[in-house]
Parts: sequence; structure tokens; C-alpha cells
Amino acid sequence: DGGITQSPKYLFRKEGQNVTLSCEQNLNHDAMYWYRQDPGQGLRLIYYSQIVNDFQKGDIAEGYSVSREKKESFPLTVTSAQKNPTAFYLCASSKGGSSSYNEQFFGPGTRLTVL
Amino acid sequence: QQQVKQSPQSLIVQKGGISIINCAYENTAFDYFPWYQQFPGKGPALLIAIRPDVSEKKEGRFTISFNKSAKQFSLHIMDSQPGDSATYFCAASKNDYKLSFGAGTTVTVRA
Repeated sequence: DGGITQSPKYLFRKEGQNVTLSCEQNLNHDAMYWYRQDPGQGLRLIYYSQIVNDFQKGDIAEGYSVSREKKESFPLTVTSAQKNPTAFYLCASSKGGSSSYNEQFFGPGTRLTVL
Repeated sequence: QQQVKQSPQSLIVQKGGISIINCAYENTAFDYFPWYQQFPGKGPALLIAIRPDVSEKKEGRFTISFNKSAKQFSLHIMDSQPGDSATYFCAASKNDYKLSFGAGTTVTVRA
């Protein structure tokens, strides 16, 4: 059963802590993405990776870090430098390659709450 | 600065009615325009997408209309059903993998 899994579904963090959100895909996709969703603001791109061991900042990368050591995995770390981390985080993947018409498939999301 | 502007923020429609959501963009380099559907607590799922070389695309009860000169595109949901109640996002990209999303429209279909 192919798809994207994110864990955990809910995550609570104390102020000053770093937390890592997991994203795994078994679709054999080259490209992976992280988005942040806040009410009334749509989805905003945090980081994306087109290939293993390479990634680029999106529109709101400050306070976040990522790694892409394996094709299947793209974990996101929310650091203590992120001032307002409470949000719904979505991971996505797409085939990649030269075509721009890359359908992005989304995971079920992780809801992060800072206590 | 949002590159894709979406309206309305929310709408209510009776069962069997037509829902219309509009999006506008400024960047003429955009060449892919998908619509995503999201249910509460879930990730978005691709509903339908269009390229700028066609003016309309229909899949079942969902139709995208595209106006290249006006830099606008819209989603029409025909014969709206209660199961269509969700948040809909338009998006656009320009051959660099990054999707720019609209702010979303919450559609409520009343039975």
C-alpha cells in the first residue's frame, strides 16, 4: 500500500525544545516537501528536496532544518528559534524530473502545539 | 506576499447547487494550476489540474475554467453534495517544483 506517512499525528513541545517530525514515502518519488498550514493562510513552503543529499529553503525556512539522507525519508526539525511553531505540518512528495507538472501527494499531517 | 489570491474565503450552497471558487495570479511564468481538496484533519488531495494551453477541463462534477489573458482560473462544482463539504485550495507553479497556494475556500453544502 503506497503512500506517505507522517508521525506523530499530534506533538506537544515545551518552549525552548527542538522537535523532529517524521515523513516517509514508499512511492519512489525523488522530490519531497514540507509545508506549514495556519488557519486562513493556505499552505506555505518550508523546505523542499529534489534529490537525496540536497535541499532548498522555501518561503518560511527560518527556525526549521531538514535532512535528506535517504530517498524515502525527509525529517523536519522545528528548532527553538522558531518563534511561533504551533501549526499543522504537511509533508508531500512528487515524482520530480524535468516536467513541471508534478502532482504532489500529501501525508496526513502532524499537529504541533507548543505548551 | 501571496502569489495566488483566492476568493471567497467561505461559501454555503444548497445540495444540488453550483459552487464557484475563483483564483487570480500575477506571475505569467506559472504553467501548472492544480486544485486540492482537504477534509478536516487530513492532508490535501489533488482534485483536478489544468495547463495554460487549454481553457477548460472537466472531471465528473468538477470543472476548471482558465482565462490566460485575465490571469484567472476558477473551480466549478456542479450538483454539489454534502460530501463535497471541504476546504479547497488553488495553486500554481512555474517548472521549479514549488507550488504557490491560495488561502483556501471552505465550502459547506447544506442538505
